Amino acid sequence: DAGITQSPRHKVTETGTPVTLRCHQTENHRYMYWYRQDPGHGLRLIHYSYGVKDTDKGEVSDGYSVSRSKTEDFLLTLESATSSQTSVYFCAISPTATNEKLFFGSGTQLSVL
Amino acid sequence: KQEVTQIPAALSVPEGENLVLNCSFTDSAIYNLQWFRQDPGKGLTSLLLIQSSQREQTSGRLNASLDKSSGRSTLYIAASQPGDSATYLCAVPNTNAGKSTFGDGTTLTVKP
Repeated sequence: DAGITQSPRHKVTETGTPVTLRCHQTENHRYMYWYRQDPGHGLRLIHYSYGVKDTDKGEVSDGYSVSRSKTEDFLLTLESATSSQTSVYFCAISPTATNEKLFFGSGTQLSVL
Repeated sequence: KQEVTQIPAALSVPEGENLVLNCSFTDSAIYNLQWFRQDPGKGLTSLLLIQSSQREQTSGRLNASLDKSSGRSTLYIAASQPGDSATYLCAVPNTNAGKSTFGDGTTLTVKP
């Protein structure tokens, strides 16, 4: 299995507070992705990174920011959490953009009250 | 915009049955197609990846096919077992940044 660790695994927070989720990989893969998974919406891309300090938006990026200062770490920040951001967040990694498998972390269950 | 559809949303079969899961996509300009398995409360596990130039990929009891021209892929599971019970998702990356579009999945239940 690919070495991907997401932290925390579960978090409960209050509306309006900032929240940071961490994705750590030991595979030295170039591409890293943040997805959220919601019933009725499936998996949706929030942000992705194609290298250190190189990031771009996905389809549901409003209210989220990311940073990648090292190859192994990709941080997702909810700047001011809202109840609509209650979801399961998954990090995924891949060595290339299109030719190789996408590997997922175990997810973070976030509840915003 | 790419759309990925998986039908049926749920499937229940008796143990030992062979079965086919379907995945369709609207834009045939794909790089590859990947099938995943997701157990409840877990992340996604990659099962098979088919490159756009390939027609099939096999791993054990699993066989995935790809027909780009018709925008379809199938995942064939032979001799199903209760341990195969899970949600199966397909995904296609559409750009050279690897941004993938996922189907909503088919939840499979294999009854002993």
